[in-house]
Amino acid sequence: DTAVSQTPKYLVTQMGNDKSIKCEQNLGHDTMYWYKQDSKKFLKIMFSYNNKELIINETVPNRFSPKSPDKAHLNLHINSLELGDSAVYFCASSHERDPYYGYTFGSGTRLTVV
Amino acid sequence: AQSVTQLGSHVSVSEGALVLLRCNYSSSVPPYLFWYVQYPNQGLQLLLKYTSAATLVKGINGFEAEFKKSETSFHLTKPSAHMSDAAEYFCAVIMDTGRRALTFGSGTRLQVQP
Repeated sequence: DTAVSQTPKYLVTQMGNDKSIKCEQNLGHDTMYWYKQDSKKFLKIMFSYNNKELIINETVPNRFSPKSPDKAHLNLHINSLELGDSAVYFCASSHERDPYYGYTFGSGTRLTVV
Repeated sequence: AQSVTQLGSHVSVSEGALVLLRCNYSSSVPPYLFWYVQYPNQGLQLLLKYTSAATLVKGINGFEAEFKKSETSFHLTKPSAHMSDAAEYFCAVIMDTGRRALTFGSGTRLQVQP
């Protein structure tokens, strides 16, 4: 069973479109995250949710909107896609009270905007 | 602000040789430190973590890291490289205060030559 699963794995879309990436974890964690990995492999946190509450909201364009229907799911919706949004997006989860055990990451969604 | 610096974006070793990947942190309070590995087109896998229990930490796949407070370092080592170790390696930190989000270094690509 996959601990943190993301769909889709690959997403190719045209500029201006709206798309969503879904993430689900079956680890019983209460905190979930979205990270963006750029073409130089640099990883940067975008958002985190704890029990459906937004905790971290980095300086991300407001075209990006996370949504957490429950603590096992964290989706990322992107409006009006731009070329610069092309990247790999990783979902992760952890226990809020024990983040020091590390995060569990999904396998990533490679978004290509053409 | 918390941060980690990885020295060397690319490291190349021969199969069987020692692997040394460098990571230095900047922190005025004890950090929690991690090493993650990313194989091509895959997600991030936790190799090992330092959470103050012991300064020498052993991880998966024969890797280990030593926390040296005097040098503010957490270098990753493996005595003998295998071809299968070729991947991207990330050092990361979580602080015990404030935001407590996992922050990554810029990554080091390890190449293993036959």
